[in-house]
Amino acid sequence: GEDVEQSLFLSVREGDSSVINCTYTDSSSTYLYWYKQEPGAGLQLLTYIFSNMDMKQDQRLTVLLNKKDKHLSLRIADTQTGDSAIYFCAESIRDNNNDMRFGAGTRLTVKP
Amino acid sequence: DVKVTQSSRYLVKRTGEKVFLECVQDMDHENMFWYRQDPGLGLRLIYFSYDVKMKEKGDIPEGYSVSREKKERFSLILESASTNQTSMYLCASSLLQVHYGYTFGSGTRLTVV
Repeated sequence: GEDVEQSLFLSVREGDSSVINCTYTDSSSTYLYWYKQEPGAGLQLLTYIFSNMDMKQDQRLTVLLNKKDKHLSLRIADTQTGDSAIYFCAESIRDNNNDMRFGAGTRLTVKP
Repeated sequence: DVKVTQSSRYLVKRTGEKVFLECVQDMDHENMFWYRQDPGLGLRLIYFSYDVKMKEKGDIPEGYSVSREKKERFSLILESASTNQTSMYLCASSLLQVHYGYTFGSGTRLTVV
């Protein structure tokens, strides 16, 4: 399909791990991104992964990429209440990689 | 601290009014973008620009126009606002090659009554 797909909601308990999944559309996408949007704010780039990588780790964040299935995931270890936000998956598109396609966003709720 | 600044956080306009949404970036970025964000639909690209006086239509340009007279400023114009244009509008900028992602403004929530 033409859409970047994500589940709309995820709820976890504080201290647990969160896994947010995304299916993207274009097997030729060079870069894949995760953005975070806190209430009332714009989107903030969390991390990105180059398409020739399988995994990228940055402190509590782990990004896994399965190019065969066009599947991207974001794992947040030891989830905190401050992680409650909407998380957007995005892929670079167009021939010169200067545009992006975004998913609808996953609203993560962290319960104490 | 690098920034993308949107001139208004909240706007209320009447149907038929001409509406200007302003966006300024201080990072000397070549690319600038306007998105609208609606619940369950994510971000949809309205227009973008790679250079001064240059613009290209995104996925949903109908009812909108843009202006980029200076590199740092990208304006979104609703020629005649309608209620279905009630939404959150997000401006973003990036280097010509977007490897490092976009920098977003805080958004303008527009209500058309």
